[in-house]
Amino acid sequence: GAGVSQSPSNKVTEKGKDVELRCDPISGHTALYWYRQSLGQGLEFLIYFQGNSAPDKSGLPSDRFSAERTGGSVSTLTIQRTQQEDSAVYLCASSLGAGRGTDTQYFGPGTRLTVL
Amino acid sequence: TQLLEQSPQFLSIQEGENLTVYCNSSSVFSSLQWYRQEPGEGPVLLVTVVTGGEVKKLKRLTFQFGDARKDSSLHITAAQPGDTGLYLCAGSRNAGNMLTFGGGTRLMVKP
Repeated sequence: GAGVSQSPSNKVTEKGKDVELRCDPISGHTALYWYRQSLGQGLEFLIYFQGNSAPDKSGLPSDRFSAERTGGSVSTLTIQRTQQEDSAVYLCASSLGAGRGTDTQYFGPGTRLTVL
Repeated sequence: TQLLEQSPQFLSIQEGENLTVYCNSSSVFSSLQWYRQEPGEGPVLLVTVVTGGEVKKLKRLTFQFGDARKDSSLHITAAQPGDTGLYLCAGSRNAGNMLTFGGGTRLMVKP
């Protein structure tokens, strides 16, 4: 079956512009995660959606970052007024959402964001 | 400061050599996972360890979880060029299921 898909694969934007990144999780997965991977910081957690529960936003670096998940499926990560330090690969993952530590997360290929 | 310290950061070896990658933390994790990531792709899960002292083998790869569930190691026997990639350890705790990743080990195996 289809894996996690993300779009666009690459995004180049100018400083100050807003961007939207999309994630299509694996069908039937109730949990969805956003991570950011940058050279200096490694891979860091951003936000976590589980079913209809309120999302865990504890990893969002500033209020310029927001995410939503519509209908328990597709998710959009929005970055407002982008800054150069936002340049990174944004990875989305989904899982069945068993809520246990062994629940396997499947990652998409990521969106490479470059802020000029 | 990363909760999971991974070492070494870079490793370049010849085909046929053995290597070990370490993942250490002062925190206890309910489970620890190892991923491998190729350029332009997302991380792919290799193994999950959940029990202190657990050892799992995947062909030439051996994974161990420390007794106190604070550290883990990945040992590769007779490395091959196809093993080249970025290896990531990640820990999961009981609160939610988000992963805390180590900084990664970039492995290059030369033929």
